[in-house]
Amino acid sequence: SQTIHQWPATLVQPVGSPLSLECTVEGTSNPNLYWYRQAAGRGLQLLFYSVGIGQISSEVPQNLSASRPQDRQFILSSKKLLLSDSGFYLCAWSASNQPQHFGDGTRLSIL
Amino acid sequence: SQKIEQNSEALNIQEGKTATLTCNYTNYSPAYLQWYRQDPGRGPVFLLLIRENEKEKRKERLKVTFDTTLKQSLFHITASQPADSATYLCALDAGGTSYGKLTFGQGTILTVHP
Repeated sequence: SQTIHQWPATLVQPVGSPLSLECTVEGTSNPNLYWYRQAAGRGLQLLFYSVGIGQISSEVPQNLSASRPQDRQFILSSKKLLLSDSGFYLCAWSASNQPQHFGDGTRLSIL
Repeated sequence: SQKIEQNSEALNIQEGKTATLTCNYTNYSPAYLQWYRQDPGRGPVFLLLIRENEKEKRKERLKVTFDTTLKQSLFHITASQPADSATYLCALDAGGTSYGKLTFGQGTILTVHP
């Protein structure tokens, strides 16, 4: 069966520090991959999606970037974190025209 | 611009009653509409998907309807239980070459009281 892993579960970082969040999927090939951010009490905002290795599309201009170095690995990065980057970050995967399956997220706090 | 609204931020009901959640959208022609459940501190979990040419879908105690004329979906939980308490999210998928990208509503927090 397919599984998705995200880490770390929680992270506290100072303003101006770099960021790397990792997401891996097991049990499927060539999945669509997504990064979302969820503010407290709000819906999910799509940040990036990828349909293949090295193919990244950004949905909103921001301080973050994404990379897909391997078929089932998706990384969210920043060179310098801002206070506004705080939030709950979720990774998800899907097969074409199928529902999405989410990881358990990373709670990011910027101090 | 595209907009999705889940009409209630919070819904409180008694155990055993039917919970009805509403999702309305504007400036959008979705091919699919999906409902997810999210527990605190966890990722959303897929519940049901309904296509634009379907009127109703059922799964155990869950039922979803999709009215593309009204641009509305209703999500029902019958014989509700305290364990059904969670945030419920609707999401729209344009289909085709959208690569499965979803646009989410802000969610409705459902609390079922014993």
